[in-house]
Amino acid sequence: QITLKESGPALVKPTQTLTLTCTFSGFSLSTSGVGVGWFRQPPGKALDWLALIFWDDDKRYSPSLKNRLTITKDTSRNKVVLTMTNMDPVDTATYYCAQATYLWNSFDPWGQGTLVTVSS
Amino acid sequence: DIQMTQSPSSLSASIGDRVTITCRASQSIDNSLNWYQQKPGNSPKLLIYAASSLQTGVPSRFSGSGSGTDFTLTISSLQPEDFATYYCQESYSRPYTFGQGTKLDIK
Repeated sequence: QITLKESGPALVKPTQTLTLTCTFSGFSLSTSGVGVGWFRQPPGKALDWLALIFWDDDKRYSPSLKNRLTITKDTSRNKVVLTMTNMDPVDTATYYCAQATYLWNSFDPWGQGTLVTVSS
Repeated sequence: DIQMTQSPSSLSASIGDRVTITCRASQSIDNSLNWYQQKPGNSPKLLIYAASSLQTGVPSRFSGSGSGTDFTLTISSLQPEDFATYYCQESYSRPYTFGQGTKLDIK
């Protein structure tokens, strides 16, 4: 069974850096064709893709957020970390990670999500 | 960026109805289109990938079709557990844009 779980602060202040960790089980990021993606969903709004990392360390970022995002993996510990700098209240959202399939750029399953509020 | 437009934005239907949701891309994306289901308070679930391939474990009443710019998700006979919001997502190029969602509720 594949599971993913997001962790990180529930509240960050404007201008701070957000660090989120996706801890997963049931697959390995050393397996060809496998990746982990990050997404967010502001309250009541649609989903946005943020970043993606594959088994071969191929890293992909949303062009509009590229300058603020960094994605890394720790294959031995089954973790993927996303950092987002210069947080703003508009970044308030539920953040999700999900397993990615290289061939189709499809994402499943997803973690339960973690709500991050940006406020002073 | 590729823009993804879903229609309708909301839809009311009854148990047993056949329902179709459409998704249009602002440029050709071949068959690089995924469909997700999201129930309130839950995370998204992949239903269809590559426009028409059914994800493992997803009931066969769900189907997808289309290529290029126009795509459809069809639910052949609505079940109570199908009332949710549905999103299309292009997987052709970054930023892998999602549609705005179609909320399906009970008539």
